[in-house]
Amino acid sequence: DQQVKQNSPSLSVQEGRISILNCDYTNSMFDYFLWYKKYPAEGPTFLISISSIKDKNEDGRFTVFLNKSAKHLSLHIVPSQPGDSAVYFCAASLTGNQFYFGTGTSLTVIP
Amino acid sequence: NAGVMQNPRHLVRRRGQEARLRCSPMKGHSHVYWYRQLPEEGLKFMVYLQKENIIDESGMPKERFSAEFPKEGPSILRIQQVVRGDSAAYFCASSPELSYGYTFGSGTRLTVV
Repeated sequence: DQQVKQNSPSLSVQEGRISILNCDYTNSMFDYFLWYKKYPAEGPTFLISISSIKDKNEDGRFTVFLNKSAKHLSLHIVPSQPGDSAVYFCAASLTGNQFYFGTGTSLTVIP
Repeated sequence: NAGVMQNPRHLVRRRGQEARLRCSPMKGHSHVYWYRQLPEEGLKFMVYLQKENIIDESGMPKERFSAEFPKEGPSILRIQQVVRGDSAAYFCASSPELSYGYTFGSGTRLTVV
């Protein structure tokens, strides 16, 4: 039972444009959400997080939006850079003990 | 300040053999988490340990899999009598306390032939 879903397995964006990665979840009790970035042959690297009491969190070029009523999370990267090309995972947690991960979206930023 | 160290990076085992995956958490981190990523899937939680204690093993298969985090030394994920379906990337993460932001290692890629 996939509680966190990333329905787009891949996304291509021109350099300088906005990348929007989407994530949906089913459990309304999730209280913390994160985005991880992963390069091939490496472990996931924490990117940005958001608590369920907020609807937006911004860190430089990265902004995460949370729509609790729609159970939807999105990551905006603007402007996109070639170095952003990676697989992005969203993850959600109830207690901090464990995270439920989506299946990932492979982002390619075209120079 | 070394990150989370996992070894080996790649492990090949024949069906029926045992696989031992090691994870040394970041210095000062006493909480360890193991995740598995099967091909074409996201990371799936397996187990959460503190020193000498298993806190949550709700994601561990009931048979053949075990994990430990002894007082001294790395955390070990042990898979007995491996089968082809165990082939996956196994990631370890650590945190200084029960925390939302933990750090992942580079993973061990297990291939069962």
